[in-house]
Amino acid sequence: AQSVAQPEDQVNVAEGNPLTVKCTYSVSGNPYLFWYVQYPNRGLQFLLKYITGDNLVKGSYGFEAEFNKSQTSFHLKKPSALVSDSALYFCAVRVPSNTGKLIFGQGTTLQVKP
Amino acid sequence: AAGVIQSPRHLIKEKRETATLKCYPIPRHDTVYWYQQGPGQDPQFLISFYEKMQSDKGSIPDRFSAQQFSDYHSELNMSSLELGDSALYFCASSPTNRGLTEKLFFGSGTQLSVL
Repeated sequence: AQSVAQPEDQVNVAEGNPLTVKCTYSVSGNPYLFWYVQYPNRGLQFLLKYITGDNLVKGSYGFEAEFNKSQTSFHLKKPSALVSDSALYFCAVRVPSNTGKLIFGQGTTLQVKP
Repeated sequence: AAGVIQSPRHLIKEKRETATLKCYPIPRHDTVYWYQQGPGQDPQFLISFYEKMQSDKGSIPDRFSAQQFSDYHSELNMSSLELGDSALYFCASSPTNRGLTEKLFFGSGTQLSVL
């Protein structure tokens, strides 16, 4: 079965410091991996995706994610966190079937403090 | 740019009542997904439609039904509402369900409260 795990419920970082939000996955075949961000009272917004190619994927708002096949991980990173990055982050895998639905991880709350 | 439109934004119902949630996908998107997100939970897939036909079914209760119309908008019908149905219901659209590399575009959601 396809699944995604985000081991941390919350990540706290100081503004200006690098941040990492962890994600591991379990899929059969080639994974299609996504990161979405959810701000309060807002819908899920796409950040970035990994389909194939370069293991380091760059996305919106200065975020990037590193695909590691051997560790089945797709951690979200940013070199310098901003207070405005504080939100709920979801890692997701697109199911390689005819329907392409997303399976989400449990979500990680990122808190960036000034 | 046009986004996914959901209505209403908020809905308050009582137990055993019915509710209808509407979703208007981005123009030229032919695939619609419905997700349910309980408080503090990750979004759970309910059902999806491609070209007006149901394409996949997830953890959708039998009390719920949905359809996609000729203009590609979709409606989620919920009957015999229960307290546990209180959640944020997201609709998402995609240019095509065949393109697994395509991202989903999410609406802002409908917050359903069942009292």
